[in-house]
Amino acid sequence: DAGITQSPRHKVTETGTPVTLRCHQTENHRYMYWYRQDPGHGLRLIHYSYGVKDTDKGEVSDGYSVSRSKTEDFLLTLESATSSQTSVYFCAISEQGVNYEQYFGPGTRLTVT
Amino acid sequence: AQSVAQPEDQVNVAEGNPLTVKCTYSVSGNPYLFWYVQYPNRGLQFLLKYITGDNLVKGSYGFEAEFNKSQTSFHLKKPSALVSDSALYFCAVSGPGTNAGKSTFGDGTTLTVKP
Repeated sequence: DAGITQSPRHKVTETGTPVTLRCHQTENHRYMYWYRQDPGHGLRLIHYSYGVKDTDKGEVSDGYSVSRSKTEDFLLTLESATSSQTSVYFCAISEQGVNYEQYFGPGTRLTVT
Repeated sequence: AQSVAQPEDQVNVAEGNPLTVKCTYSVSGNPYLFWYVQYPNRGLQFLLKYITGDNLVKGSYGFEAEFNKSQTSFHLKKPSALVSDSALYFCAVSGPGTNAGKSTFGDGTTLTVKP
């Protein structure tokens, strides 16, 4: 398995609080991604990074921000959590980009009450 | 914009029978196509990909997929299904103009293999 860890693995938080999810890789891959998985919607890209301090928005980026200060770490922050952000969040990495497969972390189950 | 359709939410097959999970795509230019599998309470695992070349691609766990450019399809197949193949399968596509390898995923197909 690719060396990808996510923390925390489970979190329950209240509406309006900020939440940060962490993705850590040991593969030295350039590209990193955050997705959310919801029933009936498959995987939707939130944000991605193509290098240290280089990030861009995905299709469902509203209410989320990211940071990447080191190659190995990619942080996802919910600025003010809402119930609609209850989901399973997956981090993924890719070596080169467009024609390379992605490797996924184990996921974080986030519940916003 | 690129898109993927997995027309079947659920596929049921008997163990030992062949299986097909369907995927069609839309993308500008030549497509890069991927299949991933998700076992319960796990992350996604890469199965196989088509980049160029032979239209029949072989991947992990005995799976293969057939690229059909005229039908814009990339169906996942296996000659003889196992109960352990029961999982959620995702098709994904990216195009040559896609920034940073952003793939678009389908909504997934749940495969159930019955003994």
